[in-house]
Amino acid sequence: EAGVTQFPSHSVIEKGQTVTLRCDPISGHDNLYWYRRVMGKEIKFLLHFVKESKQDESGMPNNRFLAERTGGTYSTLKVQPAELEDSGVYFCASSHPKYGSYEQYFGPGTRLTVT
Amino acid sequence: LAKTTQPISMDSYEGQEVNITCSHNNIATNDYITWYQQFPSQGPRFIIQGYKTKVTNEVASLFIPADRKSSTLSLPRVSLSDTAVYYCLVGTYSGAGSYQLTFGKGTKLSVIP
Repeated sequence: EAGVTQFPSHSVIEKGQTVTLRCDPISGHDNLYWYRRVMGKEIKFLLHFVKESKQDESGMPNNRFLAERTGGTYSTLKVQPAELEDSGVYFCASSHPKYGSYEQYFGPGTRLTVT
Repeated sequence: LAKTTQPISMDSYEGQEVNITCSHNNIATNDYITWYQQFPSQGPRFIIQGYKTKVTNEVASLFIPADRKSSTLSLPRVSLSDTAVYYCLVGTYSGAGSYQLTFGKGTKLSVIP
């Protein structure tokens, strides 16, 4: 079974540019999450999809971030325009809905560098 | 969301049992305790979760006292490949069968030969 995949693995962009990160969850997983770790900080929750619907987006930092999950399969996270403080590692995770289970499957992350 | 406190780092010799203790004084009645492992350049990986008493799987054991204000992850006979960062998390139910994970700083475990 393929795991969670993320693309690209590393992106370097200039301040003010736009970047789109992609996440392909494990097939059949309705839950999809985005997290990020900015330099020197803890991994922070960004948002959670259940199929194509946003269940919780309380962690999204501001309106420069837009997450979508069309068709309930893969998801994209767009940052527009990117700022220096957006640099960090963005993780995607997925899980199958199961009450009482905290097991989420994480992808390898996308390292974003904004210069 | 309950905050967790755990050691910043630990060193252990290969073959020893490692116990990492985590404090979560403000854990809520419905919260579970879970542990994740992370290797460099990889995403976190689920190890174990529990609510109370003891839970054991093929990788680790988790000990939770009756007051649930702390928990201890036990790794038997560690090897060099167990060198990683270990996160203690207290998850909060966010609906639709899923849980929002709140990561702390983690404990960096270094296994030395």
